[in-house]
Amino acid sequence: NAGVMQNPRHLVRRRGQEARLRCSPVKGHSHVYWYRQLPEEGLKFMVYLQKENIIDESGMPKERFSAEFPKEGPSILRIQQVVRGDSAAYFCASSPASGGSSSYEQYFGPGTRLTVT
Amino acid sequence: AQSVAQPEDQVNVAEGNPLTVKCTYSVSGNPYLFWYVQYPNRGLQFLLKYITGDNLVKGSYGFEAEFNKSQTSFHLKKPSALVSDSALYFCAVRDPIYGQNFVFGPGTRLSVLP
Repeated sequence: NAGVMQNPRHLVRRRGQEARLRCSPVKGHSHVYWYRQLPEEGLKFMVYLQKENIIDESGMPKERFSAEFPKEGPSILRIQQVVRGDSAAYFCASSPASGGSSSYEQYFGPGTRLTVT
Repeated sequence: AQSVAQPEDQVNVAEGNPLTVKCTYSVSGNPYLFWYVQYPNRGLQFLLKYITGDNLVKGSYGFEAEFNKSQTSFHLKKPSALVSDSALYFCAVRDPIYGQNFVFGPGTRLSVLP
């Protein structure tokens, strides 16, 4: 059973470029979450998606950041015009869809470490 | 609003001794509580969760946690620490009334000394 896959594992971008982070959830999971972790800090929730729908984006910065989870393919977190402050580890997690899904743990990917130079 | 506190940035314990990593939370409803562990340059691994039922929850790698509603705590414990337990530990809470996302504590770095 493949777990949550994220790629790339490491991404270096210059200021002003775009960063695209990909996440493939556990097979059969239709809930995807994105978190950001700054060095020596905990994870901060960014966005929660189901297939083709953004359910909660309360943690997403209002500008430059967007996320999608299309019917086919991985979830994408997109950061436009990156700045140095965007340097962080970005983690994706997935969980199953069911009536009791709020009780399920989330399964985390290995993360993408974004460095903005 | 939901929040999670882990009052200790760092916990040091000798190998073979019992360990405790503390967590307190604040939610408006009945909480779902989770512990995760993170090794260097890795993602988070699930250890255990409390949803309902017995207040003492047993999880992976010999870890357990006790839910205490009156003290709003969910401390992680292990009777005998191993050097390989050294890692960053995160407590997380989910309030099902407010949605599906987790709120994580800031993390506690556990160092088990040989």
